[in-house]
Amino acid sequence: QQQVKQSPQSLIVQKGGISIINCAYENTAFDYFPWYQQFPGKGPALLIAIRPDVSEKKEGRFTISFNKSAKQFSLHIMDSQPGDSATYFCAASSTGFQKLVFGTGTRLLVSP
Amino acid sequence: GAVVSQHPSRVICKSGTSVKIECRSLDFQATTMFWYRQFPKQSLMLMATSNEGSKATYEQGVEKDKFLINHASLTLSTLTVTSAHPEDSSFYICSAVRTDYGYTFGSGTRLTVV
Repeated sequence: QQQVKQSPQSLIVQKGGISIINCAYENTAFDYFPWYQQFPGKGPALLIAIRPDVSEKKEGRFTISFNKSAKQFSLHIMDSQPGDSATYFCAASSTGFQKLVFGTGTRLLVSP
Repeated sequence: GAVVSQHPSRVICKSGTSVKIECRSLDFQATTMFWYRQFPKQSLMLMATSNEGSKATYEQGVEKDKFLINHASLTLSTLTVTSAHPEDSSFYICSAVRTDYGYTFGSGTRLTVV
C-alpha cells in the first residue's frame, strides 16, 4: 500500500523530444505528489508537485498529469535537452507532510 | 528559501569507527527531518524520521543503535553511524519540511568505510 510504482526504468529521448515518466500508487491517503530530479552525487531537487484537487500542473517545460480515479500521475518534459539527463523520482506523501514514499526512479538520457 | 545544508559531503573512515553527519535548515525551522540512504542506481530508502526534542522514529529493519539520530534544535539534526563497517558505505541524504514549500533535500554525504 505504501509503494509507488514508477516506469520506465530508463529512457532515451532525442533532443527536442518529449520525455514521459509514469507513476502509480495504491494508498488513497496520499495527497501530495512531487517529482524530483537527481544528478549523480547530489541530493534530489524538487521539480514540480501536484495535489489531487487538480488534474494538471505546468511549470515551464515540466507538466504533471494526475488521474485520481486511476491513481496514476505522470511527468512530461517538453523540448527535452541534454542538460535534462538525470534520474527522476516520483514520490507521494499523506496529509501533513508525513514521510515521503519514493518511486524506483527513471534514468533519462537526452541524446544531442 | 528552504535551503538544507548537509555536511560533510564526503567522508572516508576506518572500519569500527563512528561518523557524524549534520543536516541544517538554513533559512527556516524544521520540526521534522528525514534521513535516507541510497545505494548506487537505487531509490532513496527512508531510514528514520527525526523530530525535534523527541526520539526518532526508525523504519523497520533499521538498527537504532547503529544509526543514532539527534534532533536537538529546530535547525539541526545529526546522524551518527556507529561502529561503521564496509556494508554501511552508502549515500546518506537528509530532508526537512517547510510547510509552505514541501520537502527540501540536502546535497548528500558519501560515506566510504575502509
